[in-house]
Amino acid sequence: EAGVAQSPRYKIIEKRQSVAFWCNPISGHATLYWYQQILGQGPKLLIQFQNNGVVDDSQLPKDRFSAERLKGVDSTLKIQPAKLEDSAVYLCASSLDPESSYNEQFFGPGTRLTVL
Amino acid sequence: ILNVEQSPQSLHVQEGDSTNFTCSFPSSNFYALHWYRWETAKSPEALFVMTLNGDEKKKGRISATLNTKEGYSYLYIKGSQPEDSATYLCAFNNFNKFYFGSGTKLNVKP
Repeated sequence: EAGVAQSPRYKIIEKRQSVAFWCNPISGHATLYWYQQILGQGPKLLIQFQNNGVVDDSQLPKDRFSAERLKGVDSTLKIQPAKLEDSAVYLCASSLDPESSYNEQFFGPGTRLTVL
Repeated sequence: ILNVEQSPQSLHVQEGDSTNFTCSFPSSNFYALHWYRWETAKSPEALFVMTLNGDEKKKGRISATLNTKEGYSYLYIKGSQPEDSATYLCAFNNFNKFYFGSGTKLNVKP
C-alpha cells in the first residue's frame, strides 16, 4: 500500500513570499490532517478535513494560511505571505476510520520550510 | 487546547541500555493514546494505540503501559540499539482530535 505523499520535501523562501505544499493521502482515507511542527515543539493541528469538508480549522492562521481538499482526495496548504515564524516542518496525515478509537494516522515525510 | 507533556526532552544512552519515557495527559474524557516513532527525514511511524486503563502493548524490544486514571503512559525500550535513535512522540486522541507532546529525542551511542 502506498503511503502518504508530500511535496516538496524542502523549501527555502524569503519572508513575504508565497509557498504551497501538496499532499496525497492513502487511497480510501477519508480524513486528512495538516500539522505544523516548530522545532522543539510537538506537531500542532492546523486543519482537518473529512472528505472535502473542513472538520476543524480553529488553529489555522486564516489571515495568511489557506487549505483546500478538492474532490476529497489530495490537498494543498498555502501560506501567503510567509513570516519568519512560519519556519517549521509541515506534516500531512490521513486516517481511514475517524469513528474508531483505534483511529490510526499515517504520516507523510513532511515538508521542511525555512523562511529567511 | 489540551496539555500533553513528555519527559525527558532528550536522552543519551549507550547501546544495550534499557530506557523509558513518560507521557502525561488529561485524565478526564480519555479516548485513546498513541505513540509514534519519528526518525530524521522520515515519516512518523505509529508504534501503539492504547485505549484501556492498564493496557500493556509490546512490539519487539519496545513496550508501553497506560494509566488513564492518573493520566500517564510509559514507553520502554529494552537493550537500546543505535537504530532506536529517533524522536518518540505521544498523542492524546480526544475523540479524533490529536494533541501531541513535544517528544523525547533518544540518541543511542554504539
